[in-house]
Amino acid sequence: DIQMTQSPSSLSASVGDRVTITCRTSHNINSYLNWYQQKPGKAPKLLIYAASTLQSGVPSRFSGSGSGADFTLTISSLQPEDFATYYCQQSYSTPRTFGQGTKVEFK
Amino acid sequence: QVQLVQSGGEVKKPGASVKVSCKAAGYTFFSYGITWVRQAPGQGLEWMGWISTHNGITNNAKKFQERVSMTTDTSTTTVYMELRSLRSDDTAVYYCARDRGNLGNFDYWGQGTLVTVSS
Repeated sequence: DIQMTQSPSSLSASVGDRVTITCRTSHNINSYLNWYQQKPGKAPKLLIYAASTLQSGVPSRFSGSGSGADFTLTISSLQPEDFATYYCQQSYSTPRTFGQGTKVEFK
Repeated sequence: QVQLVQSGGEVKKPGASVKVSCKAAGYTFFSYGITWVRQAPGQGLEWMGWISTHNGITNNAKKFQERVSMTTDTSTTTVYMELRSLRSDDTAVYYCARDRGNLGNFDYWGQGTLVTVSS
């Protein structure tokens, strides 16, 4: 199974901050990496797929980069509605695996 | 619009089975598979498996292979996930999600079904 390691596990930030979350995989997965946002009590929401493609309807302040085994999710200017937990997920092979999550909290 | 509507919460005793439904609407049912993901309280996301709505082929995580069944009812565009021999650590919210095939990501999700396993 492909192991996913996200960092940090949590971070505190303010509105307007630039936020970066990283995801490292145990194998080279090319660009088969997706990012989700989850708010408490809600289902996850797809933000980015294929490492850098913005899902339809997702604000352009979200961006993804990377390939191989190192990936990054960036929020260019954090908005109040962005406080949530973020997960990476690999779609290179089954079983699909997720990172452990990064909780973005209000500073 | 695309919707996945799941059945309501369940409370089960250890050793019992649970069957969660996921009704799809707003798109061509056969064009996308359905993936099941669960989330234990306060924990992360765990992929359980996938079913093709086209031919019923499944691909399940080894961890669940002996205990899980996924089926489809094409007449009602509903997918079912049954988990048997429930244990307390199966207590979780179970989500179905539309699986975008080769992209391997999940673009629409059900609202989640809380399954509580308790004696």
